[in-house]
Amino acid sequence: DAGVIQSPRHEVTEMGQEVTLRCKPISGHNSLFWYRQTMMRGLELLIYFNNNVPIDDSGMPEDRFSAKMPNASFSTLKIQPSEPRDSAVYFCASSALWVGETQYFGPGTRLLVL
Amino acid sequence: KNEVEQSPQNLTAQEGEFITINCSYSVGISALHWLQQHPGGGIVSLFMLSSGKKKHGRLIATINIQEKHSSLHITASHPRDSAVYICAVVGNEKLTFGTGTRLTIIP
Repeated sequence: DAGVIQSPRHEVTEMGQEVTLRCKPISGHNSLFWYRQTMMRGLELLIYFNNNVPIDDSGMPEDRFSAKMPNASFSTLKIQPSEPRDSAVYFCASSALWVGETQYFGPGTRLLVL
Repeated sequence: KNEVEQSPQNLTAQEGEFITINCSYSVGISALHWLQQHPGGGIVSLFMLSSGKKKHGRLIATINIQEKHSSLHITASHPRDSAVYICAVVGNEKLTFGTGTRLTIIP
């Protein structure tokens, strides 16, 4: 299996622009997680889905952030409008069943908002 | 006070030393993860524990549910073990992370 696939790997954009991050989980996995990592705050869970349904989005920072999972093999995390403080590495992970199981992380998307 | 506390925050040791990283938490949990993040940024899940002990190669993870404490041990440490080790707990289907322990193993 190719593992969790994220795209793009790097994104540089200007403040105010819309940013869309993409994730393909491991085939057959039922849970998908979006994380953000910064030097100041470390690793934070933004949202996670189980069977394509958002289970916990309490980590989503504000209305500028939205996440969707239209099917079992694809998810997006959108920031609109982006701000410099959104600069971070965004990781996607998947697990076979639920949040308490081993998670497999993608390589991350490094986002820089100027 | 953070719900998940890791210690030490930074640890430097000589190759071959026995390493212990600690994780204490204040909430009831159903599972605990140990993650490893290499200098290049990639994250690997090392263990998922709900009780007792698990071993994988030179890595051993233990958890004491009553004491709300987990430890990650590395035997015969090697420079390639240099990474940030992150503890994360699962409680009420919420995942909470520790701030990580940066480990540096000197040859």
